Amino acid sequence: GQNIDQPTEMTATEGAIVQINCTYQTSGFNGLFWYQQHAGEAPTFLSYNVLDGLEEKGRFSSFLSRSKGYSYLLLKELQMKDSASYLCAVIPGYSTLTFGKGTMLLVSP
Amino acid sequence: EADIYQTPRYLVIGTGKKITLECSQTMGHDKMYWYQQDPGMELHLIHYSYGVNSTEKGDLSSESTVSRIRTEHFPLTLESARPSHTSQYLCASSAGAAFYSNQPQHFGDGTRLSIL
Repeated sequence: GQNIDQPTEMTATEGAIVQINCTYQTSGFNGLFWYQQHAGEAPTFLSYNVLDGLEEKGRFSSFLSRSKGYSYLLLKELQMKDSASYLCAVIPGYSTLTFGKGTMLLVSP
Repeated sequence: EADIYQTPRYLVIGTGKKITLECSQTMGHDKMYWYQQDPGMELHLIHYSYGVNSTEKGDLSSESTVSRIRTEHFPLTLESARPSHTSQYLCASSAGAAFYSNQPQHFGDGTRLSIL
């Protein structure tokens, strides 16, 4: 089966930097996505990694190590609006996307 | 921005009723998906489609059915609703022609379904 692990909750302060980790054990790998989901809203796409390394997109960066089955999402200069759930999702081989349970991030003033 | 629409946004209905949740997208995407998500829990794939006349069951067993007669439309039907069907249902679509897609999925706003 497929297994994706993320911390359940994290807290951080406005203006700070936070790193949300994701580890996965899947039968094959064809890419990893990060999504943001505000309470009561639909998930929105943040980033995609398929090769090892860091992908930077504004305040958000995502890192992947395929040999370690590990990814992280780095959020810089945190804002209150970044309070949301962050979903790690993996394409396990020739299959459809599998989502983790998500990490609820609370940003405080 | 993605253009994918779900109706209704909220539905409260009695047990035994037949329900159809609508999903339409205007992006011309071949792939469409239905997910079920309970509060604080992960998204579970219940149905997906690679294109017109293609439908597949997802990882989570579901008593619902889907159809894909037109590219833009992917409705989900519950023949006889039960309280266990109470959940949020999210529709999504993505571009790309491969069996698996590295294109991001674009989600609708979801339907919150409550069966009394």
